[in-house]
Amino acid sequence: GAVVSQHPSRVICKSGTSVKIECRSLDFQATTMFWYRQFPKKSLMLMATSNEGSKATYEQGVEKDKFLINHASLTLSTLTVTSAHPEDSSFYICSATSGGANTEAFFGQGTRLTVV
Amino acid sequence: GENVEQHPSTLSVQEGDSAVIKCTYSDSASNYFPWYKQELGKRPQLIIDIRSNVGEKKDQRIAVTLNKTAKHFSLHITETQPEDSAVYFCAASLGDTGNQFYFGTGTSLTVIP
Repeated sequence: GAVVSQHPSRVICKSGTSVKIECRSLDFQATTMFWYRQFPKKSLMLMATSNEGSKATYEQGVEKDKFLINHASLTLSTLTVTSAHPEDSSFYICSATSGGANTEAFFGQGTRLTVV
Repeated sequence: GENVEQHPSTLSVQEGDSAVIKCTYSDSASNYFPWYKQELGKRPQLIIDIRSNVGEKKDQRIAVTLNKTAKHFSLHITETQPEDSAVYFCAASLGDTGNQFYFGTGTSLTVIP
């Protein structure tokens, strides 16, 4: 299957700082990327959907000014957690599809964010 | 948006027995239903999917059934093996242009040797 690479895999940051997470599709063009948040022993919660070259669509309850998403190219999307706080500590995971309806989504390996 | 419910949250079976996980969804427009397996600390991996024009799909020991009228779909694993132990997520997608996946709450499957 296609490969999606997410970086970094782990990051620890101080409260009040911002953290950027990258999601790259290595061998296909990802017209759509998704960002999820996963709490321990919980399901994946869809945060936002991003299409290349356009603004991300955020799910209800997700603060777009806090979780900045950029999808500047067909192979890269970034999630920036701004002014991070301890409650933002979580596992963030991206997925990407090559486009079209009902196509398989490939997941990155996830980023464990810890805000201290 | 779509609301997906999944049961049970935990499931233990003896090796060789079958495991069944059930999901329901709320949006009748959903037309794509993948199942993902997530091992501890790893990314979710697609194991099987089904589209709304199909009622059942099988791949070796794994099968998925879909009932669009009742808006539920199920994962069936037969002849379970210890390596099947993982968390399984169902998902539903409207599959229009965005292809957003809405996940169920997950089922932690333990296969006892």
